[in-house]
Amino acid sequence: EVQLVESGGDLVKPGGSLRISCAASGFTLRNVWMSWVRQAPGKGLEWVGRIKTKTDGETADYAAPVKGRFTISRNDSNNTLHLQMNSLKTEDTALYYCTTVGLQFWPSIDFWGHGTLVTVSS
Amino acid sequence: IVMTQSPGTLSVSPGERASLSCRASQSVSTNLAWYQQKPGQAPRLLIYGASARATGIPARFSGSGSGTEFTLTISGLQSEDFAVYYCQQYNNWPMYTFGQGTKLEIK
Repeated sequence: EVQLVESGGDLVKPGGSLRISCAASGFTLRNVWMSWVRQAPGKGLEWVGRIKTKTDGETADYAAPVKGRFTISRNDSNNTLHLQMNSLKTEDTALYYCTTVGLQFWPSIDFWGHGTLVTVSS
Repeated sequence: IVMTQSPGTLSVSPGERASLSCRASQSVSTNLAWYQQKPGQAPRLLIYGASARATGIPARFSGSGSGTEFTLTISGLQSEDFAVYYCQQYNNWPMYTFGQGTKLEIK
């Protein structure tokens, strides 16, 4: 069974930094592209970014609102995905979901974790 | 690419059929997915490739369309189907764009 478990969400002051993580199980992480999607309270879904497999170059792409501030990385040996968030803004407050990309249905976002809450407030 | 869903809220009685619309600002071919999200839960993939059902999705869910116009149809609505539905394009990748969602509520 595919499982994605996010952790590390917290209350952070504007301008601060936070790293959240996603523990993957039930599949071989190194073979799968991964992404982060966020959802502000009471709002819709917003794609944050995506990282390719090491085989495909391990490059990452980001949505415009977070480009230059957020960094996605992966540790395939530990089956973990990370999202480093710097220069946080109040508008980054959201539930952050870890997802697979094309694990079963290429190239859709197919499996989701339950999310970790990041709150940016003074 | 901007994805626009309509209506914002749809009220339908159990057992009836619901049709949800999604429009893209430019062609996305059939690179479109639909997701269902219930309160307090993560989204779930329903449809990919505009019309293919994901694993375990009941046959009452069907997707259609291509280019810029798409429809998610739910036939014989059941109580567990009342939720928020999002469309998403992945034609213009790596940028994935979601619609703003349609809330399907019990009439």
